[in-house]
Amino acid sequence: KNQVEQSPQSLIILEGKNCTLQCNYTVSPFSNLRWYKQDTGRGPVSLTIMTFSENTKSNGRYTATLDADTKQSSLHITASQLSDSASYICVVSAMAPDKLIFGTGTRLQVFP
Amino acid sequence: DGGITQSPKYLFRKEGQNVTLSCEQNLNHDAMYWYRQDPGQGLRLIYYSQIVNDFQKGDIAEGYSVSREKKESFPLTVTSAQKNPTAFYLCASSIQLAGGQISYEQYFGPGTRLTVT
Repeated sequence: KNQVEQSPQSLIILEGKNCTLQCNYTVSPFSNLRWYKQDTGRGPVSLTIMTFSENTKSNGRYTATLDADTKQSSLHITASQLSDSASYICVVSAMAPDKLIFGTGTRLQVFP
Repeated sequence: DGGITQSPKYLFRKEGQNVTLSCEQNLNHDAMYWYRQDPGQGLRLIYYSQIVNDFQKGDIAEGYSVSREKKESFPLTVTSAQKNPTAFYLCASSIQLAGGQISYEQYFGPGTRLTVT
């Protein structure tokens, strides 16, 4: 069964600290993996998209990694800011049929 | 929110009434999608459309209906047959690549929170 699991479910950190969010998937055949940021009551916004051949991709203070062998991805946030408080959703795309499988998200809260 | 608008932001209805959620995009995207988001669950696909006048059921289409009469519009009707309609509804769109494959990137609207009592 195609599944995407994220951990932790929720995370609290202090402003300026780093954090890492995890995503494990069992999707096959794999096409690509995406990380989205979703502010409360808003639609998700794309942070990164990685294909099978990409190990790392950065977007400002966000760095995503992908290990296609172990089927794991992580999203590292550097020097967190209050505006980073949001849910972060890992989404894996399967091929044949083309289908997106969404994780349940990690709720990050950054406190001053 | 990438040129996708959803209205209204909040919607309240009585049980047994049909309600239509609006989704409009000015990105000239071919494909459009409707998702439902519930607390503690990942987004689930309701319907999607890759071309005008054509649409396919997603994973949880029962109790919902859609139309795609114009490229920029993809309204979703939540019918009285939907047993648990209270949720956050998200519309998304993406471009169609050569060969009919859907682009990696989906752009989401701001969402509509529907409450049915």
